[in-house]
Amino acid sequence: QSVLTQPPSASATPGQRVTISCSGSSSNIGGNTVNWYQQLPGTAPKLLIYNTNQRPSGVPDRISGSKSGTSASLAISGLQSEDEADYYCTTWDDSLNGVLFGGGTKLTVL
Amino acid sequence: QVQLQESGPRLVKPSETLSLTCTVSGGSISSGSYYWSWIRQPPGKRLEWIGYMHDNGNGKYNPSLKSRVTISGDTFKNQFSLKLSSVTTADTAVYFCARVGRVGLSYGTFYFADWGQGALVTVSS
Repeated sequence: QSVLTQPPSASATPGQRVTISCSGSSSNIGGNTVNWYQQLPGTAPKLLIYNTNQRPSGVPDRISGSKSGTSASLAISGLQSEDEADYYCTTWDDSLNGVLFGGGTKLTVL
Repeated sequence: QVQLQESGPRLVKPSETLSLTCTVSGGSISSGSYYWSWIRQPPGKRLEWIGYMHDNGNGKYNPSLKSRVTISGDTFKNQFSLKLSSVTTADTAVYFCARVGRVGLSYGTFYFADWGQGALVTVSS
């Protein structure tokens, strides 16, 4: 099925570690790389992770990505107030023949 | 770092054509190294990929929009453009242009490396 499923929300306290999941299928996550974006309110998305687990220059190493089978995860450790944002996973879908975005996860820092 | 800026009409009437331009600075759209893309986000909804463009003429469009979309480039102005025909209120969204990075040759290794700030386009009579 050509859809990426993320939990609509996640929360944690400062300093804690939070993980955001992205569930797909063999036609998307299972066979392609996964990318993650952070979107602060009213701004454009920012690339956090590309090629499943690579960080662009400037993204701190407390942010990491991984994939197992048809699911991917974004982990943020040492949570900070500025991490409060929406997070989106995305990948290519071979059946759809196009890019899929997850529904987004709103992260709240308590 | 590459910077991108969207421009164009913010209000479009139903059945007309939405036209947006992305001006690129800090990099050339004709370098051959990158693809360029449009993505949109309807109010309160998830991001939706519209399509890719490469200066060699290769392009790829979202199958659900393919019949209405054209993405093209102007190498002299270092701009690329989006045209979406026969719009309806469902096409109301923030439209982003982006530079596409890639790890390999397949679309499955592409990612949106840099984004414009976005342009809210409203479809209304």
